[in-house]
Amino acid sequence: AQKITQTQPGMFVQEKEAVTLDCTYDTSDPSYGLFWYKQPSSGEMIFLIYQGSYDQQNATEGRYSLNFQKARKSANLVISASQLGDSAMYFCAIRGAAGNKLTFGGGTRVLVKP
Amino acid sequence: ETGVTQTPRHLVMGMTNKKSLKCEQHLGHNAMYWYKQSAKKPLELMFVYSLEERVENNSVPSRFSPECPNSSHLFLHLHTLQPEDSALYLCASSQGDRALAGYTFGSGTRLTVV
Repeated sequence: AQKITQTQPGMFVQEKEAVTLDCTYDTSDPSYGLFWYKQPSSGEMIFLIYQGSYDQQNATEGRYSLNFQKARKSANLVISASQLGDSAMYFCAIRGAAGNKLTFGGGTRVLVKP
Repeated sequence: ETGVTQTPRHLVMGMTNKKSLKCEQHLGHNAMYWYKQSAKKPLELMFVYSLEERVENNSVPSRFSPECPNSSHLFLHLHTLQPEDSALYLCASSQGDRALAGYTFGSGTRLTVV
């Protein structure tokens, strides 16, 4: 079984500042992938970034970076230079190599203030 | 057309109606999924189809009936729904044999049962 925990239900961040969204996970799979998705108010789930459990380096995609600490089972998302368009729900998810299922956390709502 | 397309975007239906949600993907993926997203609840996986065969059904009530006629299309047939079934229904696809691949989501169908 897999589980994702996002402990921050909501956050405010000032425009142009960085924000860190917490994600901890639990899995029995030795090989797994961690994902972050963004969901604006319109509803679509937008893929942001991926980290494989055996990747040696932290993933980065533009303004998004993933602080992966395998021993602590955490995969925090860092958004640098926040923009107003970053206001959305953010979901952390995990998928094990053994199956098809992508398991999501409860999400964190981010509101960027001008 | 590319990506995952869901229709309709919005649906209002009475409890005695029968309607269907449609999902279409043009990514060459071989696995498709239905998720339910209710207010203040995590995303719930409803159904998983891999190579057009249902591989998972997470104790979903029989008033929800999925259909996957081919690897590009997925339907969710709805009948005699309850008000608590009002939610955002998200379809996703993935390349199932790439075990650590993420999902590509559609924009969702926002369903209101009156």
